[in-house]
Amino acid sequence: GENVEQHPSTLSVQEGDSAVIKCTYSDSASNYFPWYKQELGKRPQLIIDIRSNVGEKKDQRIAVTLNKTAKHFSLHITETQPEDSAVYFCAASTSPAGNKLTFGGGTRVLVKP
Amino acid sequence: NAGVTQTPKFQVLKTGQSMTLQCAQDMNHEYMSWYRQDPGMGLRLIHYSVGAGITDQGEVPNGYNVSRSTTEDFPLRLLSAAPSQTSVYFCASRSPAGRSFNYGYTFGSGTRLTVV
Repeated sequence: GENVEQHPSTLSVQEGDSAVIKCTYSDSASNYFPWYKQELGKRPQLIIDIRSNVGEKKDQRIAVTLNKTAKHFSLHITETQPEDSAVYFCAASTSPAGNKLTFGGGTRVLVKP
Repeated sequence: NAGVTQTPKFQVLKTGQSMTLQCAQDMNHEYMSWYRQDPGMGLRLIHYSVGAGITDQGEVPNGYNVSRSTTEDFPLRLLSAAPSQTSVYFCASRSPAGRSFNYGYTFGSGTRLTVV
């Protein structure tokens, strides 16, 4: 089955700096790659996603890039703010409908004021 | 519009007991899933459903049963609780691709289960 590895496991950045989280996946048939943000004690929430026919997608300060050849995708957060502090999860799906997600282990991001 | 509702929020079970975690959504989503979240391991798929009457196993299905008799409800049953099932359980739902441009799952608030 699919295996998703996520790095780093923790990331500390200064407010205003950029944060980058990288994920690799094993199944070349994976076609949908969402990113979820989970604040302490709360539910995961989708922040951005990308499908395999797109190389990059941006939403304000957040962007995701996908390299299908290398089987990795990354989350980029620019101009980080204290409210960006959370655990971020990447995921990949091989099912055509994108309904079966395999998650990475998560990255705990701390933005220091 | 409540989204995805999970009950209970907290539960303590003794080893060997059974129970059902409830999940209901009011968004007319056809796809529903159950995940468990353990520290440092992300979320792992237990069971999922693509519509009423249709369920399938995820990556960690042992010890759990599901059924989907209606579009709205997707209960998760623990048959005989074990300490290894201590975890936070999340239910999630979404529309099928093609009916919506939003492919993302909406998660419930979770059930924190402790088995002693």
